[in-house]
Order: sequence, then C-alpha cells, then structure tokens
Amino acid sequence: GAGVSQSPSNKVTEKGKDVELRCDPISGHTALYWYRQSLGQGLEFLIYFQGNSAPDKSGLPSDRFSAERTGGSVSTLTIQRTQQEDSAVYLCASSSIAGVYNEQFFGPGTRLTVL
Amino acid sequence: DQQVKQNSPSLSVQEGRISILNCDYTNSMFDYFLWYKKYPAEGPTFLISISSIKDKNEDGRFTVFLNKSAKHLSLHIVPSQPGDSAVYFCAAKYNFNKFYFGSGTKLNVKP
Repeated sequence: GAGVSQSPSNKVTEKGKDVELRCDPISGHTALYWYRQSLGQGLEFLIYFQGNSAPDKSGLPSDRFSAERTGGSVSTLTIQRTQQEDSAVYLCASSSIAGVYNEQFFGPGTRLTVL
Repeated sequence: DQQVKQNSPSLSVQEGRISILNCDYTNSMFDYFLWYKKYPAEGPTFLISISSIKDKNEDGRFTVFLNKSAKHLSLHIVPSQPGDSAVYFCAAKYNFNKFYFGSGTKLNVKP
C-alpha cells in the first residue's frame, strides 16, 4: 500500500542541533503539506508545496525552519539549531489536486523531542 | 490566534448511543469544512466534509452539520461503536489549500 510515509518515526535530539525530517508522498500527488502538532494543540500549518509553484511558507514559525521538495516528490523539513519548543509531532500530507474538494492523506508523523 | 476551535478535549459515550462532536470557527471566509479521525501512532484520516453552500452532509453513520450564522460545525455518529474511539479533528479552509485545524476531541465509546 503506497500511502504517505515519514522518517524517522521518532527523533530525539539535543538543543542546538539540526534535524531533518523526511516525507514520501503518495506517488502522483502534486500537493504536499507539512504540519506540526504540539502537545494539546491542533495541527499547525507550516508549509505547502503545489507542483512547480513557489511554496507557501507562511506557516513556518521562524527562519530556523525550511523545507524542500525535490523533483516534485520527496520533501525534507529541516530545523536548524533546535529549541525545546520545537518538540512536537510533525505530520506530512499529500493530495492529488489543488482544488476545492481535495482530500489530504496524512503520514504517521515524526515525533521530535528536543532535550 | 486559533481560527478553528474544539472546546471539548474529550467525550465519552456508550456504545449504540449518539456521539456529537462540536467545532467553532471565527473566519467567515471559510468555505469548506472537513472532519478527520486519528488513531494513536497513525496520521489523521479523512472522514467527511461539507461545503459552505450546504448545511448537512451524511455518509452512513456519520453526519456533519454546518450552521454558518453561528459559525458552528458538528459531527454526529449514530450509532456509536467502540471502533469509533479515536481523536477527531475538524478543519476548515479558504483560499487555495491552506487548512486550519482544531485541537481535537478524544472520543471514547464504551462497550
């Protein structure tokens, strides 16, 4: 079953270190989203990629966060100089078309813990 | 500023009874609303949606109601089953594909 996959499933890092989180969307899906869910909070939008268009980065909380999507497929979310408040579950989702009635398919998430 | 709010963090219901999950939003520009269901250690999965031009959408045991004047959305599950126990998120969108999610309600259906 080719769903959305994310790696690693868990990541523990020390404050100040950089981390990379990976997302493999469903093959053929042109739209890709990153969200994060902090404890007791809803899903917070981070960034959105659609085809070859410039990504919507309006949700990135600081310039320590960046994301790339290579070849319109795999995406990497990078957090530099991690802080304890970055601890959260980072979720990736993809969808087939950027229309009104699109459904997002989510991966299982990466749980990031910054010590 | 959270534009989509789920004020009940948890709900407990007896099997066979109705579960009602509520969601409030502040942005009148939202034109599409969705409910997602999430089991532990899994990503959310799409459950049901409704366009702002409708006030009700039904799919089997699941019905979503939209009250635009009250900026209120609800999900009804009838009859509730133990397998429905999960965290339910409501989400809303406008303008391209930026989705806003609530904080979730954990539903426990007791056998």
